[in-house]
Amino acid sequence: DGGITQSPKYLFRKEGQNVTLSCEQNLNHDAMYWYRQDPGQGLRLIYYSQIVNDFQKGDIAEGYSVSREKKESFPLTVTSAQKNPTAFYLCASSISRDTTYEQYFGPGTRLTVT
Amino acid sequence: GQSLEQPSEVTAVEGAIVQINCTYQTSGFYGLSWYQQHDGGAPTFLSYNALDGLEETGRFSSFLSRSDSYGYLLLQELQMKDSASYFCAVRDQSGGYQKVTFGIGTKLQVIP
Repeated sequence: DGGITQSPKYLFRKEGQNVTLSCEQNLNHDAMYWYRQDPGQGLRLIYYSQIVNDFQKGDIAEGYSVSREKKESFPLTVTSAQKNPTAFYLCASSISRDTTYEQYFGPGTRLTVT
Repeated sequence: GQSLEQPSEVTAVEGAIVQINCTYQTSGFYGLSWYQQHDGGAPTFLSYNALDGLEETGRFSSFLSRSDSYGYLLLQELQMKDSASYFCAVRDQSGGYQKVTFGIGTKLQVIP
């Protein structure tokens, strides 16, 4: 079955530590996205990548970094510079840059930093 | 930049019809998507409108008026399982890249 996997489902870290969230897709999609969702809030775009080895900052990129070395993988690193990292992180993909309106989401990673 | 407005909460009775409105402001507008998200789950794509008019998919319909910068999602024959949050999302172009901006979501509660 094709889909997007994110691991782990729950992640706990101490303040000051960097943490990397995994996102893998086997849908053969070109475009991938990272969103952050806070309680009662919409999805805010962190980073997106429309092709391998290329990515752009979204609306809230500060304190985050990404890489896109393979089509299937788009890991997100939450650095210690991110002031309020506790949130629900969602990874998504779309077939191409032209179908960004229809995104397929992974199950999410709930990150808690104390 | 972009901005979207949708009601934060709506309550409706099982079997009834409910309309969730979305107004937006953006440049380089391509279209409007709708997503459903159950508590703790991942958003799932419902519909997309690029042109004016109504698109129907089963019990769900979505409408767009580009001249009014307005759209809505219509849910008919409401079922308890429709209780979820519904997000409108604008697809637009900025700096040569297309992206989607989501609204804050409307929490729909279906009551017996």
